[in-house]
Amino acid sequence: DSGVTQTPKHLITATGQRVTLRCSPRSGDLSVYWYQQSLDQGLQFLIQYYNGEERAKGNILERFSAQQFPDLHSELNLSSLELGDSALYFCASSPRLAGYNEQFFGPGTRLTVL
Amino acid sequence: DAKTTQPNSMESNEEEPVHLPCNHSTISGTDYIHWYRQLPSQGPEYVIHGLTSNVNNRMASLAIAEDRKSSTLILHRATLRDAAVYYCILIKNGANSKLTFGKGITLSVRP
Repeated sequence: DSGVTQTPKHLITATGQRVTLRCSPRSGDLSVYWYQQSLDQGLQFLIQYYNGEERAKGNILERFSAQQFPDLHSELNLSSLELGDSALYFCASSPRLAGYNEQFFGPGTRLTVL
Repeated sequence: DAKTTQPNSMESNEEEPVHLPCNHSTISGTDYIHWYRQLPSQGPEYVIHGLTSNVNNRMASLAIAEDRKSSTLILHRATLRDAAVYYCILIKNGANSKLTFGKGITLSVRP
């Protein structure tokens, strides 16, 4: 158990819909990262927050957005869903921004878009 | 970001040591070398990291070449539970410490 929790574990929805994925980082970790894992693209970095502020963006679509709240939990919002958005979405956390910090990953949310 | 090159797959026998190689010829002085692994149906898991010197922890050892252009993750006694995809990743020490995953090495462990 990494200490990072993600809800829900599974999500099945239809094209065009909007969903919210939630992540609670390890206690004390200020940095939260979101990653997407699909069969064709592998694991890809989406976005990073540190202490409530966005710090880095990766291959995140404009239909996707995220935020980190004052209690440090984070939400990833996916809208106008397409079939290709079906994937595993992982959240990770780390104490600080330093490159020597390890990232702790949650169990993931499996999103299926029908 | 500096790139890493790993073989696609490796096989090992249970209870034998495994050496997983990684080439990173364009590494810069501020890049940390991290290894993560992903067991089937699980999220990635941190294994070990280093900068210049060899490192040991309870999971593995990391041997870093003197010129830092390559490294080797060493599992001292492979178990069936070590069957996973192993990723070698370079991370700059700075404000943006995102992980850029490649395809990794798929390690199979034979009983």
